Parts: sequence; structure tokens; C-alpha cells
Amino acid sequence: EVQLVESGGGLIQPGGSLRLSCAASGFTVSSNYMSWVRQAPGKGLECVSVIYGGGSTYYADSVKGRFTISRDNSKNTLFLQMNSLRPEDTAMYYCARTLSSGWLFFDSWGQGTLVSVSS
Amino acid sequence: DIQMTQSPSSVSASVGDRVTITCRASQSISSRLAWYQQKPGKAPKFLISAASSFQGGVPSRFSGSGSGTDFTLTISSLQPEDFATYYCQQANSFPLTFGGGTKVEIK
Repeated sequence: EVQLVESGGGLIQPGGSLRLSCAASGFTVSSNYMSWVRQAPGKGLECVSVIYGGGSTYYADSVKGRFTISRDNSKNTLFLQMNSLRPEDTAMYYCARTLSSGWLFFDSWGQGTLVSVSS
Repeated sequence: DIQMTQSPSSVSASVGDRVTITCRASQSISSRLAWYQQKPGKAPKFLISAASSFQGGVPSRFSGSGSGTDFTLTISSLQPEDFATYYCQQANSFPLTFGGGTKVEIK
């Protein structure tokens, strides 16, 4: 059974940093595309980052230069390093297994971890 | 960026009703579209792709269709567990974008 469990969220001041983790089971992170999708309170969904199986990465303009997606193959875990956080980054952050190139659909999701950026 | 527009933004329906949700892309996305279901306080769940070529293990009452710019999600006979918000998502090009959502409410 595919399972994704996020952690690392919390309350952080503007300009601060957080590192989100997503522990996967039931499949191999390094063999799959993986993504981070966020949802601001009461709002819609935004894909902020994707890492391809080969290691290439994509970032939404809203986070480019501030967020870094990575993975630890030995721990089967996905990460999102978030620096220079802004109030508009406040959201639930979901990790999602992503189907292959050309069909970048999010077929399995974690339960999410909440990031609140406020002074 | 490709804009995804869903309609209606909300719909009130009864158990057993047929419900159709539409999603329009601002440019052609071939059949690279998926539908998700989200219940309050829960993560989205992958339902089905446009041509039903990818499915998230959902009941057969859910079907997807369309290509190019116009797509539909149909629930043939609404069940109590189907009351939720539904999102479309295009996978044709970055940034991957979602529609604004359609809330299916109990009538």
C-alpha cells in the first residue's frame, strides 16, 4: 500500500526557514516523480515543485530561488527546504507521487503538513 | 500560464442525481487533464483522467471525457460519499495548474 507521511510544518516568522519531510512507503521515491502541492487556507491548489526520477527539478515562479526539493534515497524520503518564508507561503503542504512525464498527475497524496508564516 | 476554469463553482444535488462538472483550458492541453476529489480537512484524491485512461480506483459512476480545451467530469448517480469539492488539473505544461474547484453540496 502506498503511503506518504509529511512532517516539519509549524509556525515560523517571515524570513525564516523550514524543512518539510515526506516519508514514503509501498513504493520507491527515487524511481518516481514526486511533487509538493500547497493549499492556502480556504483556497485552491498550487503545485510548487516537482522532482523527476532522474533528479531534474521544477519550481513555480512563486517559490523559485527560495525553495529546494530533494530526496534521500536511503530513507525513501522527499524533502522541501523553504527559505526566506513570506506570509503568502502560509498553506497546507502536501507531498504527492506523480505519474510520469507527459502525464504529470498526482496519484497518491500525503495527509499534509501546515506551514504558518506570521510575526 | 494555462488557466483552468471550472463551472459551476458550486452545485446542489440530491442522492441519485446525475452531476456534470466542466473544466475549460485557456489553450489546448490535448487530453492531459485529471480530476481530484477533496473532502473537508482531507487531502485531495486522484479520481480519473480526461479520457479515463488513468483511474484512481474510483467507482464506475465517475467518468471523464474531453480533449483540447473542454472537459467534463460526470457522476452518473450521486452517492452520499460524493459530496465534496472537485478540482481539475492540466498536465500539458508547466506551471501545472488547477481549476478553482466545484463544490457539490446536498440539496
